[in-house]
Amino acid sequence: EAAVTQSPRNKVAVTGGKVTLSCNQTNNHNNMYWYRQDTGHGLRLIHYSYGAGSTEKGDIPDGYKASRPSQENFSLILELATPSQTSVYFCASGGLGDWGGAETLYFGSGTRLTVL
Amino acid sequence: GDSVTQTEGLVTLTEGLPVMLNCTYQTIYSNPFLFWYVQHLNESPRLLLKSFTDNKRTEHQGFHATLHKSSSSFHLQKSSAQLSDSALYYCALRSNNRIFFGDGTQLVVKP
Repeated sequence: EAAVTQSPRNKVAVTGGKVTLSCNQTNNHNNMYWYRQDTGHGLRLIHYSYGAGSTEKGDIPDGYKASRPSQENFSLILELATPSQTSVYFCASGGLGDWGGAETLYFGSGTRLTVL
Repeated sequence: GDSVTQTEGLVTLTEGLPVMLNCTYQTIYSNPFLFWYVQHLNESPRLLLKSFTDNKRTEHQGFHATLHKSSSSFHLQKSSAQLSDSALYYCALRSNNRIFFGDGTQLVVKP
């Protein structure tokens, strides 16, 4: 079973502070993704990566940076956190898995971020 | 641009009744992959089923869906709802190396 681990599970930050969300995968997948989940908006893509050293902007990248220092690790960075960034953040890695065909996403357990 | 539409935000059913969650998509790519992901309360989304073959029924864990390219649809169905089916269901499209999610449908199954 594919394994994606996120840390921390919960985080409370202050407005203007820096927040780093970490993600580690042991699937040896090239692709990794950061999503945020908000009621009424579903899963929205923030940043993604095709491999170590690469990051790409997703649909809502403003206010976020990403870093992929290795195949296994993908971080999401909020340099100046704002209350509008209060959300649940999911990391995912993408691979063919047991299904073949198109890439399947394997999600981590999520990080609940509250910015006060 | 590419997009996925799930028309129902909330579907409430009585246990034992059939389930149908709607999903339509828009893409210029001729060979899209369609997916259904399910997310139970306090869990992360996981793949339920996926398909890229036109007019072929795909089944998994009692659910099934058929990709119809003529109508750009990939509706999720189940013959008899169970209490444990209560969850958030996402339809997703993979097109031109990107994945697009719908807004999700919350399914609530009551006794």
